[in-house]
Amino acid sequence: DSGVTQTPKHLITATGQRVTLRCSPRSGDLSVYWYQQSLDQGLQFLIHYYNGEERAKGNILERFSAQQFPDLHSELNLSSLELGDSALYFCASSPTFAGADTQYFGPGTRLTVL
Amino acid sequence: AQSVTQLGSHVSVSEGALVLLRCNYSSSVPPYLFWYVQYPNQGLQLLLKYTTGATLVKGINGFEAEFKKSETSFHLTKPSAHMSDAAEYFCASTGGKLQFGAGTQVVVTP
Repeated sequence: DSGVTQTPKHLITATGQRVTLRCSPRSGDLSVYWYQQSLDQGLQFLIHYYNGEERAKGNILERFSAQQFPDLHSELNLSSLELGDSALYFCASSPTFAGADTQYFGPGTRLTVL
Repeated sequence: AQSVTQLGSHVSVSEGALVLLRCNYSSSVPPYLFWYVQYPNQGLQLLLKYTTGATLVKGINGFEAEFKKSETSFHLTKPSAHMSDAAEYFCASTGGKLQFGAGTQVVVTP
């Protein structure tokens, strides 16, 4: 158990819909990262928040957005969903934003778009 | 920008045999390098990491990796494979954001 929690574990929805994925980091960690894992794209970095502020963006679509709240939990919002958005979404947390920090991964949310 | 390349998307090893997973990195500056393991239906778990100092890094579950700057490599090894080592393994590097390789699926045969 990494100490990172993600809800829900599974999500099934329809094209065009909007969903919110939630992540609670390990106690004391200030950074939260979001990743998408799919068969064709592999593991892709989406976005990084540190202590409430966006710190880095990766391959995140404009239809996707995220935020980190004062209690440090984070939410990833996916809107106008397409079939291709079906994937595993992971969040990870780390103590700071240092490159040498270990990122601790949550169990993931499996999103299926029908 | 840094990136990593994992050689071989699938590796099959016999129980008790050496496990060798290859990773090469590309970076203009010395990177931080990581190996993660992903078991079926689970998140990623850190096996080991190289930041600075000793180039031979020991990790969990008997794995180790050696940072070789001259070869820009960070190969992962385990002397004797167990059935429980069957999983997907990812090499990653970071100079800011973590970049993952494509992953290597390890199958262990009895």
